[in-house]
Amino acid sequence: EAGVTQSPTHLIKTRGQQATLRCSPISGHTSVYWYQQALGLGLQFLLWYDEGEERNRGNFPPRFSGRQFPNYSSELNVNALELEDSALYLCASSPQGLRLAKNIQYFGAGTRLSVL
Amino acid sequence: TQLLEQSPQFLSIQEGENLTVYCNSSSVFSSLQWYRQEPGEGPVLLVTVVTGGEVKKLKRLTFQFGDARKDSSLHITAAQPGDTGLYLCAGAGNAGNMLTFGGGTRLMVKP
Repeated sequence: EAGVTQSPTHLIKTRGQQATLRCSPISGHTSVYWYQQALGLGLQFLLWYDEGEERNRGNFPPRFSGRQFPNYSSELNVNALELEDSALYLCASSPQGLRLAKNIQYFGAGTRLSVL
Repeated sequence: TQLLEQSPQFLSIQEGENLTVYCNSSSVFSSLQWYRQEPGEGPVLLVTVVTGGEVKKLKRLTFQFGDARKDSSLHITAAQPGDTGLYLCAGAGNAGNMLTFGGGTRLMVKP
């Protein structure tokens, strides 16, 4: 069974540009989570999607947005890129979303975004 | 806002030594998970603890969830170079959705 897959592996952009990151969850998982892991910092929660809806949002500005498609894959968009957006962006998926008490999340390998 | 304090941040030990990593919070979590992350990869789930006082063993790794479900520890016996990596604890709130991560413990085991 395939795990969580993310693309691209690496992304290089310049300040002010837009970045689009993609995530395919494990088959059968309906929830997708996005996290930012900046150098020297822990994982910071960005967004949670379940059944196509945004369920929760972390403490990030509105230029971080995303969506979840009918096949449960997800996209993270970052507009007006700033240097401090350089980080590893991790996607995780879990089954059953709100109905899952344990909230076990399985992570992809991440997209390394570099903003120059 | 729920916070998880993880300690130590860095740990460098010799092969064969024992070590313990701690995760503490003033908040109660419905479950707590431990992950291990290697460079260039995403975190890999090691274990989930759900019940206060629960102890789980995974080969040389022993995980414990505090009685009040506010803290957890990871103990590694006879560490090996293959244990080198970033260890992360993460707590799930009572709403059961987003995870709150600790800052991580970077472990290096020297042969």
